[in-house]
Amino acid sequence: AQSVTQLDSQVPVFEEAPVELRCNYSSSVSVYLFWYVQYPNQGLQLLLKYLSGSTLVESINGFEAEFNKSQTSFHLRKPSVHISDTAEYFCAVSDRGSNYKLTFGKGTLLTVNP
Amino acid sequence: DAMVIQNPRYQVTQFGKPVTLSCSQTLNHNVMYWYQQKSSQAPKLLFHYYDKDFNNEADTPDNFQSRRPNTSFCFLDIRSPGLGDAAMYLCATSRARMSYTFGSGTRLTVV
Repeated sequence: AQSVTQLDSQVPVFEEAPVELRCNYSSSVSVYLFWYVQYPNQGLQLLLKYLSGSTLVESINGFEAEFNKSQTSFHLRKPSVHISDTAEYFCAVSDRGSNYKLTFGKGTLLTVNP
Repeated sequence: DAMVIQNPRYQVTQFGKPVTLSCSQTLNHNVMYWYQQKSSQAPKLLFHYYDKDFNNEADTPDNFQSRRPNTSFCFLDIRSPGLGDAAMYLCATSRARMSYTFGSGTRLTVV
């Protein structure tokens, strides 16, 4: 069965500092990996995804994530964060073995302080 | 713009009074999902439809049911809401399961 572990429940950083949100997954088959962002009282917005090909994927707002198969990780990074990046971030996985159901990690609350 | 729309955004219901949440999509995706998200927790899959085929998660309470009358609409029925059912309910759609689009959610309060 697939599962996702987000090691950090909360990550406070100062504005313009770099940040890494960690995500590890468990699956015995090939996977699709996703990062979603959720602002208060809103739905989930797709930030970026890995399906195949290049292991480094980027979003339009400066986030990137790298798929590392050997370490079963898909960490999210941004070199310089803004106040507006404050939100909950969820890592998710779907795989063929689970009939492609999307399974989420517990989330990481990123708080960007001035 | 193609999207997933959930109505209402906020729903207050009385303890034990049946309530229905709705979801519509203009993406023409064949798979639709309902997730429950409690405060500060990850979304939890309740069930999904692959076309008209209904797939219930093993731990979804019998109190929760769903209907999908056509490709565009899907409903979540809670037969007898309890205080523990207060949560954000998220609808999502997918085609080929490589991309999932979520609605803005319905925040359910049980009084």
